[in-house]
Amino acid sequence: AQKVTQAQTEISVVEKEDVTLDCVYETRDTTYYLFWYKQPPSGELVFLIRRNSFDEQNEISGRYSWNFQKSTSSFNFTITASQVVDSAVYFCALSEAYSGNTPLVFGKGTRLSVIA
Amino acid sequence: EAGVAQSPRYKIIEKRQSVAFWCNPISGHATLYWYQQILGQGPKLLIQFQNNGVVDDSQLPKDRFSAERLKGVDSTLKIQPAKLEDSAVYLCASTGQVLYEQYFGPGTRLTVT
Repeated sequence: AQKVTQAQTEISVVEKEDVTLDCVYETRDTTYYLFWYKQPPSGELVFLIRRNSFDEQNEISGRYSWNFQKSTSSFNFTITASQVVDSAVYFCALSEAYSGNTPLVFGKGTRLSVIA
Repeated sequence: EAGVAQSPRYKIIEKRQSVAFWCNPISGHATLYWYQQILGQGPKLLIQFQNNGVVDDSQLPKDRFSAERLKGVDSTLKIQPAKLEDSAVYLCASTGQVLYEQYFGPGTRLTVT
């Protein structure tokens, strides 16, 4: 069975601090995809990144970076120089890769509050 | 490109009443999902459609929940009768040509009193 664990329920940081959101996953599949989504107060889930299990390269996009380590089954997300607009709930998710339309298994989310 | 549309955005009903939610996916997206998000948790899949056929409804409480996608475009999710534990946000998502990218609608927040 697939499972995603986000151990941090809530994190609060002061603006401009760096913050890392942890994600640990479990799957018996050798091929899978990992995702991060942002859910602002409006409620809509916003896609941030997709990573497949064969690509362990870290990725940076502006102030966002992701660290994928297969050896520890982790896919952590770092926000550099956080801003108030980063305040949201962040979800890590996992899907099998046998087709392009498999449903997502989500973690419980981490609520990030960035204080000005 | 218009996003996934859902209505209503909010609904308050009493237990044992019925309720229906509507979703219109992004144009051309063949796969449609309904997720239930209980407060403080991540979304959980209820049902997945490929065109107008059901792919996975293993987590749908079929004694009270039903869903259809008759023409392979928009979809309706119904709860009858509702229970207090059905209070949640119901999210609709769709996938198109770009595989593994699900686009989510704004959700319908249901409160059962």
